[in-house]
Amino acid sequence: GAGVSQSPSNKVTEKGKDVELRCDPISGHTALYWYRQSLGQGLEFLIYFQGNSAPDKSGLPSDRFSAERTGGSVSTLTIQRTQQEDSAVYLCASSLGTGRQTSNQPQHFGDGTRLSIL
Amino acid sequence: TQLLEQSPQFLSIQEGENLTVYCNSSSVFSSLQWYRQEPGEGPVLLVTVVTGGEVKKLKRLTFQFGDARKDSSLHITAAQPGDTGLYLCAGARGSTLGRLYFGRGTQLTVWP
Repeated sequence: GAGVSQSPSNKVTEKGKDVELRCDPISGHTALYWYRQSLGQGLEFLIYFQGNSAPDKSGLPSDRFSAERTGGSVSTLTIQRTQQEDSAVYLCASSLGTGRQTSNQPQHFGDGTRLSIL
Repeated sequence: TQLLEQSPQFLSIQEGENLTVYCNSSSVFSSLQWYRQEPGEGPVLLVTVVTGGEVKKLKRLTFQFGDARKDSSLHITAAQPGDTGLYLCAGARGSTLGRLYFGRGTQLTVWP
């Protein structure tokens, strides 16, 4: 399809396991974002990619969280040694734009990965 | 602490009523975006406002950006059940490229 694709749509895992979430952005979008949405909360920024580099990773909550992007396209968010507080919906978005206009570009979201830690 | 305070958090109204959702901050934003989110889906962009004092209309929805670019409002006229959803405001700051700062959202329910 033409939209942002995320997989898996749902993931249930045991505390302490590692998980990997995937995001396939809209073709041609150079900017990619990861957000986390917990029940009753707005979207919490995690990390922003411009191409393959991450100029802003200030939202990653701990060193258990990491993300990479390859070929200026697909991105993976990895959570190591998962904890129950990691349970949330993880949303990926992509947008056009480089430089200072990037933040004014509309962000197109995927439907998210619902992560549940038992 | 949320950079953008959104109110009300919940709104339950009858079809045909008018409503306003507010998004306030003490910080200045280069732009303000409004999104709508349905259960199990990602947010979908409704509008972007970039100029202080700007007003944009989208059918029965009117969006306003404050003169000082610190606040915004969404007004819906004659609400319909199809307007039900989570409305999110999100601000962009020129000092932090790319990222958006989201409010907690307003869950709107319109009853027939």
